[in-house]
Amino acid sequence: NAGVTQTPKFQVLKTGQSMTLQCAQDMNHEYMSWYRQDPGMGLRLIHYSVGAGITDQGEVPNGYNVSRSTTEDFPLRLLSAAPSQTSVYFCASSFQAGAPAPLHFGNGTRLTVT
Amino acid sequence: GQQVMQIPQYQHVQEGEDFTTYCNSSTTLSNIQWYKQRPGGHPVFLIQLVKSGEVKKQKRLTFQFGEAKKNSSLHITATQTTDVGTYFCAGGDGSQGNLIFGKGTKLSVKP
Repeated sequence: NAGVTQTPKFQVLKTGQSMTLQCAQDMNHEYMSWYRQDPGMGLRLIHYSVGAGITDQGEVPNGYNVSRSTTEDFPLRLLSAAPSQTSVYFCASSFQAGAPAPLHFGNGTRLTVT
Repeated sequence: GQQVMQIPQYQHVQEGEDFTTYCNSSTTLSNIQWYKQRPGGHPVFLIQLVKSGEVKKQKRLTFQFGEAKKNSSLHITATQTTDVGTYFCAGGDGSQGNLIFGKGTKLSVKP
């Protein structure tokens, strides 16, 4: 059981470039989400999904797209990277949407935009 | 929108001293969860509280959920160097299972 797997671990982009952060879970979890973590800001929700084919915006969705074509995968796309998107990104999942359930986090992707 | 405030932002203690972090929400929470993040690591789930006034213990850690379900606390008795990290509270917003995280309390322990 790998849990939540994120790739890559590190990435450096130039302003304007696009890329996809990958997230996969093998626990058959219904709920998946993306957070960004900035110093002193805690964890802020970017996008989330309550099941395959269903996605919605969180607190800070601008500049990011997501899709959920399968239960297992929830990629996060940066359309045109900006320095303000320099952050650590965490993907997290839980077994049940719409109900209190512990989040399982991936190891994170550290992104730098120059 | 819903906010979860957490204090203090930093806490430095001598090994063996107690530590407490507090979490307050602007609205009633459906549940509160606590996570620990070691330096360079990812948040790891510690516990979830659901009921008004609930108290749970895990060895030296005591978690409380307020009667009004708007505040919570985490108390560590006799800290150890292994307790070092950032502790986050996260409140359930009652819909879709989303969690609103506090900004965390970073704990350092001097041996």
